[in-house]
Order: sequence, then C-alpha cells, then structure tokens
Amino acid sequence: LAKTTQPISMDSYEGQEVNITCSHNNIATNDYITWYQQFPSQGPRFIIQGYKTKVTNEVASLFIPADRKSSTLSLPRVSLSDTAVYYCLVGDRPSNSGYALNFGKGTSLLVTP
Amino acid sequence: DVKVTQSSRYLVKRTGEKVFLECVQDMDHENMFWYRQDPGLGLRLIYFSYDVKMKEKGDIPEGYSVSREKKERFSLILESASTNQTSMYLCASSLRTSGSWNEQFFGPGTRLTVL
Repeated sequence: LAKTTQPISMDSYEGQEVNITCSHNNIATNDYITWYQQFPSQGPRFIIQGYKTKVTNEVASLFIPADRKSSTLSLPRVSLSDTAVYYCLVGDRPSNSGYALNFGKGTSLLVTP
Repeated sequence: DVKVTQSSRYLVKRTGEKVFLECVQDMDHENMFWYRQDPGLGLRLIYFSYDVKMKEKGDIPEGYSVSREKKERFSLILESASTNQTSMYLCASSLRTSGSWNEQFFGPGTRLTVL
C-alpha cells in the first residue's frame, strides 16, 4: 500500500504560482495519483488525476516524473479562495487482494494578500 | 448536479449507544465509501462498497460495520459507540469502471460526538 508524504503547510501571496509536492516511493504499477481540495466544514473536492508525465485542466496542472515516486500539483496565480487543505491520493481499483486507497495527511495552503 | 447527502451534520451520542450514519447519492454510482477525518491524521477509509450487499474493509474498520441494501444508500453503524469514535465522518461515491479510481464525490460530513 503506497504511503504518501506531503508538507504539512505552505504559505503564498496572491497571484503567485504554488507547487505542492507529494512523495509516494512505494507507488505500484497500476496506481493513479489524484489530488483533492478541502475547505473547512466541507467534503473534499476532486481537482486533478494523472498516471504519468503532465496533466492540465482548467484549475491546475499535475507533474509526474518518469519514476512516479513523487508528483507535484501546480496552482497558477493563486487567489485568497485557494486557501484550503490539499490531499494527495494514490491508489488502484479494487483487486482480489482488496482495495488500495491512501489519502495523505494533507497540505494546508494559506494565501494572503 | 451530483449530490451526496448525509443524514445529519451534527450528532451527539452517549457511550454504548448504537449509532447509524446514513448516506444517499443520486448519481447511480456503484462505489460508496465511508471515511473518518481527524486533525493531523487526514482522511482514513473505514469501509468501501462496490455494489449492493458488497463491502470491503478499509484501514480502520474496527468498531464499525456497514450496510448497503440499495445502490443509492450506504450506512455506517457503530454497534457500541465509544469516545474514541468522536470524529468527522465523510461519505463519498464514485463510478466503477476499469482503470483508475474515478472521481469521488463527497458529502458534507457528519460531526459525531460521543460523550
């Protein structure tokens, strides 16, 4: 079961690019990497998912190096509303050996003016 | 618009009581999940269900059971609540397709306090 390690917290100013790195040294061949965002008193919300190289959508980019032992969530030009906790999730679909889902402990991002 | 609802936002129970947490999704998703969230520990999976009447244990199933009699409903049961089960409980659902875990849609959470 792949374990993940993220920084506990990060600070940024509005308008800057923020990069949050997640370490997952034991990632398995079939594992995908998914990032979620959570605001206080709400459930997490899906941001982006990838398997290798780079994935980009309207809110973020995800960079995954060739060895896949880490991944970086990139948030371009953050605003105050991006203040939240960001979770890195590594897992695979259920198999005969069970499931594999592992959320990290999250990175608390604080964006200030 | 996708929706996952949980029966209560806040719940207070006494030690030893049997507690039911209900979760309903309206997206016809096959997968449903129960997590608990505690400060400094992130989200930890309690149980997961990939179909009606099917369940799989997560990281921390001890002290919990689940029931999935209908596709849209997934219940978490605390047979005899204890103070260490005071936590935020989050339900989620997702489609089941081949390949990766699909996007999970989370409910608003139930904050359970056991006295």
